[in-house]
Amino acid sequence: TQLLEQSPQFLSIQEGENLTVYCNSSSVFSSLQWYRQEPGEGPVLLVTVVTGGEVKKLKRLTFQFGDARKDSSLHITAAQPGDTGLYLCAGDGLGGATNKLIFGTGTLLAVQP
Amino acid sequence: DSGVTQTPKHLITATGQRVTLRCSPRSGDLSVYWYQQSLDQGLQFLIQYYNGEERAKGNILERFSAQQFPDLHSELNLSSLELGDSALYFCASSVGGTGRYGYTFGSGTRLTVV
Repeated sequence: TQLLEQSPQFLSIQEGENLTVYCNSSSVFSSLQWYRQEPGEGPVLLVTVVTGGEVKKLKRLTFQFGDARKDSSLHITAAQPGDTGLYLCAGDGLGGATNKLIFGTGTLLAVQP
Repeated sequence: DSGVTQTPKHLITATGQRVTLRCSPRSGDLSVYWYQQSLDQGLQFLIQYYNGEERAKGNILERFSAQQFPDLHSELNLSSLELGDSALYFCASSVGGTGRYGYTFGSGTRLTVV
């Protein structure tokens, strides 16, 4: 059983479309992070959200942490081919343990030109 | 370049063999984390070291071991390798001992066991 479930698993869209990726858990996390991973590379940190209800924007990407700190979403506006990659959410502080990040199941995004 | 260096990038070995993966953390980072990434399991936490001491353990097999040296580089040793150990192995580092503010990942070592 995965502690952090992401949906959808796969997403193929056309350039210019909008999309939302969800990260859900039944557990509370101290903070939640989003990473993007490209083929042959390690995940790269995009953002960290720490307060319930927090919204952060990074250019065309909008991240939100749920009020109860159990879920998060990533919204991309006007997607571009450069947004293609594996998007991973990761939670910290599960059960008070802050030593390790627990990663979600991942969403593979392909943006067609 | 993330600042976290992993070697080798690719490794092909036979079942039953032993390999060592190496990681140099980003300058100034005291924590090193090892993760295994496979298609069916995703990114799974193996072990964490902080300033030379083991801090946390995940689903790491008994055939696997790790250590962090005084210069803070870390090695992950995998022995009695099985086909199922084929995966991407990532090292990540952070300044402190928690994941709260995110990790910096290396580019990984792709291990293929034949």
